[in-house]
This record gives sequence, structure tokens and C-alpha cells, in this order.
Amino acid sequence: SQKIEQNSEALNIQEGKTATLTCNYTNYSPAYLQWYRQDPGRGPVFLLLIRENEKEKRKERLKVTFDTTLKQSLFHITASQPADSATYLCALDSGGSYIPTFGRGTSLIVHP
Amino acid sequence: EADIYQTPRYLVIGTGKKITLECSQTMGHDKMYWYQQDPGMELHLIHYSYGVNSTEKGDLSSESTVSRIRTEHFPLTLESARPSHTSQYLCASTLPGGRGTDTQYFGPGTRLTVL
Repeated sequence: SQKIEQNSEALNIQEGKTATLTCNYTNYSPAYLQWYRQDPGRGPVFLLLIRENEKEKRKERLKVTFDTTLKQSLFHITASQPADSATYLCALDSGGSYIPTFGRGTSLIVHP
Repeated sequence: EADIYQTPRYLVIGTGKKITLECSQTMGHDKMYWYQQDPGMELHLIHYSYGVNSTEKGDLSSESTVSRIRTEHFPLTLESARPSHTSQYLCASTLPGGRGTDTQYFGPGTRLTVL
């Protein structure tokens, strides 16, 4: 069955360090992968999209990699700040329907 | 900031009541979606629409119904609320980005509690 796996344990890091979050998937052949940020009690906010033929995408302090061989995406936040504390969700298209299927998300806590 | 609105933000209601959760967007997006999310869990797609008069059921079985009479409005109705319906309901719409690259804009959500 199709599965999206994100680390369920919260990631705790110190301010200024680079945070790296992982999204693994099985039984998907996604055309693209997206990362969203979700704050408590709020809807997710789109951050970055990377296509299957792209290896890396950057936006300001954010970087996403996409390895279709390993079936994995890494999401990096450089020079992290306490304001980056949130849950980060990855999403894949669902079998070509182009409706994203979301992972459970990983909570990031940046300590001052 | 996305122009997509949900009301009410919080609702506490008794079992058996009929409720409608409102969702509106002012961006002219054709595609709209309803998701259900429990704390710490995935978003589950319950309904979606490709445009006016189009509605489809999502992956998660739901006792709710939706309608799409106007592009900007996509309400979700529960005919008879039950405690199992207690959850966060998120509405979203899509900015078309070409085949396979649609990104979603989410509303703030409605936190529903059925007693």
C-alpha cells in the first residue's frame, strides 16, 4: 500500500543550526513533492514544490532535495530561528490524480 | 496570505444536530477541497470539487455532503452530528500550476466538537 513516512518524534535544535527533516515514501511514483508548514490550530501553508526531474530547490533559508531512487525528500532550514518552530508536512500527488496526499508531519522546535 | 475563509472557527454542538461548515475563497480557484485532521495525524481528503456543480468523495469515508453552486463557495454539511465527527476540518483551494504542480491554499480550519 502507498505510504508516506515522516519522523513522528519532534526535532529539537538550537537557534542558528540547520534543521533537516525527512520524508520517505513507498509505492508512489510522484510527479512532484511539496512541503508545507502548519502552526497549531491553523491550516498548512505551502512552502516549496520540487518536481521528479529536479534534484534540489532553494528558497531563501529553505532547501529541498528529492531522490526518486531512494524515494526520499530532505527539507533543510538553515540558520534556524525560534519562529521556524512548527510542524512540517510533505505531500505527494496521489497516483496521478494531482490531488496531494499528506504525511503526518514532523514537529520542529528551535530553542533560543 | 491566502484569501480563503472558514466559519465558524470553533463549534461545540450536541449529537443529532445538523451543521454546515462554511468555506469561501475570493481567488477564483476552480478546485476546492475538504480535509479532516485529528491532532498529530495526517490530513484526510473527504471531498473535492473541480468546479461549479462538480463534487467528488475523497479517500476517507465521510457521512458529510458538499455542494458547489458558486465558484467561491464550498460548504460541508453533516445531517446528524455524532461524537465520532469531532475533528478539525480544513478547506483548501488550488492555484493551478500546470499539470501535476497544483499547490493548495488552506483556510484556518473549523474545530468541531460533538458532545
